[in-house]
Amino acid sequence: QVQLVESGGGVVQPGRSLRLSCVASGFSFSSYPLHWVRQAPGKGLEWVALISFDGHGTKSYYAGSVKGRFTISRDNSRSTLYLQMSSLRVEDTAVYFCARDRAYDDAFDVWGQGTRVTVSS
Amino acid sequence: DIVMTQSPDSLAVSLGERATINCKSSQSVLHSSSNKNYLAWYQQKPGQPPKLLIYWASTRESGVPDRFSGSGSGTDFTLTISSLQADDVAVYYCQQSFNTPPTFGQGTKVEIK
Repeated sequence: QVQLVESGGGVVQPGRSLRLSCVASGFSFSSYPLHWVRQAPGKGLEWVALISFDGHGTKSYYAGSVKGRFTISRDNSRSTLYLQMSSLRVEDTAVYFCARDRAYDDAFDVWGQGTRVTVSS
Repeated sequence: DIVMTQSPDSLAVSLGERATINCKSSQSVLHSSSNKNYLAWYQQKPGQPPKLLIYWASTRESGVPDRFSGSGSGTDFTLTISSLQADDVAVYYCQQSFNTPPTFGQGTKVEIK
């Protein structure tokens, strides 16, 4: 069964750090680009970051709102995607989803259930 | 970044009636070499992650009921639910993947009238 399961969310103070994880199962993890997408309470979907892997190495891309503060990474041996979040702000409060990019059409065809991050003093 | 604008923000449709959602991109998402529009539609129900419905603007994802259809090309796209069912109550998002960053529309909430 193709699945993505996020973890690592929680309540954190502004300026602190948090690392999210997304464990994949049921498919060849290393073959797919992967994304983080977030959704603030009552709001729409906001793309956060992308990581690809082509056998030569990884390439990563970030939304302007998180660039320089968030780092996306992957461990293909563990089938795990990460999002290291630092210098967190109140506006980073959201449910964070990981999603698989099907590559041939760039559609996000598999999503995790999400992990909630609350940044509050 | 490509800006995606959906209309309307919400709509209420009677059961069995047609629901139409529009999505406009600030620039074309038609890939000239493949002649494919890199435009997808997602359905999100409360407390759930988004679910892929349509990709390449008009190709229905496996398992998606045929009452859902997508159309359009270039910058203007439409998602149509031909006969609204109670299970279709959700927020619908369009998304372009022509460029990085991929961007989503603001969402359209569909309710039963």
